[in-house]
Amino acid sequence: EPEVTQTPSHQVTQMGQEVILRCVPISNHLYFYWYRQILGQKVEFLVSFYNNEISEKSEIFDDQFSVERPDGSNFTLKIRSTKLEDSAMYFCASNQGRSGNTIYFGEGSWLTVV
Amino acid sequence: KNEVEQSPQNLTAQEGEFITINCSYSVGISALHWLQQHPGGGIVSLFMLSSGKKKHGRLIATINIQEKHSSLHITASHPRDSAVYICAVLPEETSGSRLTFGEGTQLTVNP
Repeated sequence: EPEVTQTPSHQVTQMGQEVILRCVPISNHLYFYWYRQILGQKVEFLVSFYNNEISEKSEIFDDQFSVERPDGSNFTLKIRSTKLEDSAMYFCASNQGRSGNTIYFGEGSWLTVV
Repeated sequence: KNEVEQSPQNLTAQEGEFITINCSYSVGISALHWLQQHPGGGIVSLFMLSSGKKKHGRLIATINIQEKHSSLHITASHPRDSAVYICAVLPEETSGSRLTFGEGTQLTVNP
């Protein structure tokens, strides 16, 4: 069974530090996503990425956030200057198409900002 | 009001019981997903529906587009089914693929 892999599984960082979360989507997938889940809350969409550019982003995804696909396999989420409220589980996901395909999630990266 | 509402929020069952989790949504959708979130946090896709009914093992998912309602059923429930079950929709109005999630239903199946 193909899978989306994420690293690190858990990271603790000081407020104001930069964080990079890494994801390896499934190899033949074309759409890539980042979602986040603050503890005790529902999952929220951050950003979708297709054809090497952002296709959609939420109001959460402000200038502190960026995504890139540097080498054709990794898909990264960077938070430039972390805030306490960025503490959450961050999920990477991928699928082959927009609406007609199963979406595959990674196991998540738990970010704690102190 | 949330675009996606799930009920119940919490559900406790005895092993072997038939379980139903409901999801109602308020927008037109292209697809609806049922997801399972394990205690460790990982999310697994169970079903993607745009009409009718799907079955996989002991799991059955149905959707009624006109009524904007979907149900997830688990037959012969087992303690290993204990997890959070999440309904997520892909609204028609979005140009991309942003899923909108429900709050989830915490299911506990006791032996």
